Amino acid sequence: DSGVTQTPKHLITATGQRVTLRCSPRSGDLSVYWYQQSLDQGLQFLIQYYNGEERAKGNILERFSAQQFPDLHSELNLSSLELGDSALYFCASSVELAPTDTQYFGPGTRLTVL
Amino acid sequence: GQSLEQPSEVTAVEGAIVQINCTYQTSGFYGLSWYQQHDGGAPTFLSYNALDGLEETGRFSSFLSRSDSYGYLLLQELQMKDSASYFCAVGGNTGKLIFGQGTTLQVKP
Repeated sequence: DSGVTQTPKHLITATGQRVTLRCSPRSGDLSVYWYQQSLDQGLQFLIQYYNGEERAKGNILERFSAQQFPDLHSELNLSSLELGDSALYFCASSVELAPTDTQYFGPGTRLTVL
Repeated sequence: GQSLEQPSEVTAVEGAIVQINCTYQTSGFYGLSWYQQHDGGAPTFLSYNALDGLEETGRFSSFLSRSDSYGYLLLQELQMKDSASYFCAVGGNTGKLIFGQGTTLQVKP
């Protein structure tokens, strides 16, 4: 158990819908990262937050947005869902945002878009 | 941009040694990490190299050559439970990770 929690574990929805994925980092960790893992794309970095502020952006679609709240939990919002958005979405956290900091991954949310 | 290359699959027998190579291209190198992921599970941290040389942690070792933009993960005394995917990743200055496509290791009895 990494100490990072994600809800829900599974999500099945239809194209065009909107969903929210939630992540609670390890106690004391200030940095939260979101990654998408699909069969043909591997683990792709989406976005990073540090202490409530966006710090880095990867290949995140405009239909996707995220935020980190004052209690440091984070939410990833996916809208106008397409079949290709079906994937495992991982949240990870680290103490700070130094390159040397180990990232601890949550169990992931498996999103299926039908 | 950043890119990493690693073999897609490796097969070895129980008790053997296996090496998983990783070459990378990146602007601004901050270190090479290795993560293990069992089927459907969360990636877990194995090792991190910021400087040239070998880092050893139990049965696992990781090596880095910055001049060659190359690293490898060495797994010794392979066990069935080592069957998993192994990812190398380079870090950005904010700590974000860019992952390779992963190497699936199959350990056979």
